[in-house]
Amino acid sequence: QIQLVQSGPELKKPGESVKISCKASGYTFTDYAMNWVKQAPGNGLKWMGWINTQTGKPTYADDFKQRFVFSLETSASTAYLQINNLNIEDTATYFCTRGTGDYWGQGVMVTVSS
Amino acid sequence: DVVLTQTPPTLLATIGQSVSISCRSSQSLLHSNGNTYLNWLLQRTGQSPQPLIYLVSKLESGVPNRFSGSGSGTDFTLKISGVEAEDLGVYYCMQFTHYPLTFGSGTKLEIK
Repeated sequence: QIQLVQSGPELKKPGESVKISCKASGYTFTDYAMNWVKQAPGNGLKWMGWINTQTGKPTYADDFKQRFVFSLETSASTAYLQINNLNIEDTATYFCTRGTGDYWGQGVMVTVSS
Repeated sequence: DVVLTQTPPTLLATIGQSVSISCRSSQSLLHSNGNTYLNWLLQRTGQSPQPLIYLVSKLESGVPNRFSGSGSGTDFTLKISGVEAEDLGVYYCMQFTHYPLTFGSGTKLEIK
C-alpha cells in the first residue's frame, strides 16, 4: 500500500540546521510531485512549496524562500526538507504530502529551543 | 494568494445529526482545464490530515458515504449526513487551482 514515512522528532537549538526525510513506498516515486506543509502548534496548515520528483526542481512559497531546501534521493524514493539557521518560529510539525494531497506522511515535530 | 474562508470555526453536533461546513474562496477555483481543485481534509488530534474529498465532490477511497461535497466557483460545502463519534477533529478545505496552494483556517467539529 502507498505510504509516506517521515523521520523522527527533532530537538534543535536556534541557529542549527535540521534535515527531515519522507520515504515513499507503494508507488513510482517520480510519478508524483512532493509537497511540504508546515503546521505550527495549535495552528492551521501552511504550504511551503513542492519539488518536482522527475527533475528535482524545487518551488518555494514566498515565506519559505530563504532558509529552506527541498531535495531528493530518487534511488531511495525519499524527499528531504532541510531548514537552516533555525529560529523559534520554526517550531512546528512538518508534513510531506504527495501530489494533490491524496497521501500524507505522519509528520515530523521539530522543536527549536535554547 | 487565494484566501479560503471556512465557517463556522467550531461546530457542536450530536451523534446522528447532519452538519455542513462552508468554504468560500476569494477567487474562482475553476481551472482553465475545466477542473476545480478543491479538496476537503480531516485532521484528528495528533494525526496527519486525512483526505476525504477531491475535485469538489469525489470521495476518496475508503471514506464513508455520509461525507459529501458540493459547490462550484467560489462557494463549496462539506456535508456530513449523520455524524459519528469518529468524525470529530478539524476539517480543512484546500485549493490548488492557483499557486500557492492554500488551506482554509479549519472548522473544529466537537461531539456533544
